[in-house]
Amino acid sequence: GQQLNQSPQSMFIQEGEDVSMNCTSSSIFNTWLWYKQDPGEGPVLLIALYKAGELTSNGRLTAQFGITRKDSFLNISASIPSDVGIYFCAGPPSFSGSARQLTFGSGTQLTVLP
Amino acid sequence: DTGVSQDPRHKITKRGQNVTFRCDPISEHNRLYWYRQTLGQGPEFLTYFQNEAQLEKSRLLSDRFSAERPKGSFSTLEIQRTEQGDSAMYLCASSVGLEYNEQFFGPGTRLTVL
Repeated sequence: GQQLNQSPQSMFIQEGEDVSMNCTSSSIFNTWLWYKQDPGEGPVLLIALYKAGELTSNGRLTAQFGITRKDSFLNISASIPSDVGIYFCAGPPSFSGSARQLTFGSGTQLTVLP
Repeated sequence: DTGVSQDPRHKITKRGQNVTFRCDPISEHNRLYWYRQTLGQGPEFLTYFQNEAQLEKSRLLSDRFSAERPKGSFSTLEIQRTEQGDSAMYLCASSVGLEYNEQFFGPGTRLTVL
């Protein structure tokens, strides 16, 4: 089963608001990846994090690799309608013995209201 | 700019039939992955190729599933004697052969087993 807990499961926000979501695990992760998925499409890579404490931005998106290596955060500033979708965290947990198998969280569904 | 492509995008089949999906990775990527995603969940790892070698397989990949990457370029995923529980989105991803784990996904093949 999946080892990543994402919260919140869903969010309804007004256009222009900032958004925060997080991902936690009981296991250590060596890499954190954040993806966005639109209905009927594959996930699109947003941000990749490789070091504990790392803070990386991609436009209005900012993600952080938690110091404990068991969590990660994604922030979206000044949300716009096209931010609607499901956001997934993913990574290869250290316990898996594989650096290639990604474990995904169950996703955060974001809805942006006009 | 050609990303990962998958064919077909949708497949409807009757229980007991065999189906085959194709994935064409990004041209310079030597690693290729298959994932399965059911409704409301994140993708789950199935198998991984480095060039033509199938290096890792999940326990989710039952005997009815077989994947190939004969020339180290495109890959096929075959499901024999399909069951209703096989209904899902089948996603292919690829990555370059470096230490980083950034996997880029295709649009997926939606399988419905009646």
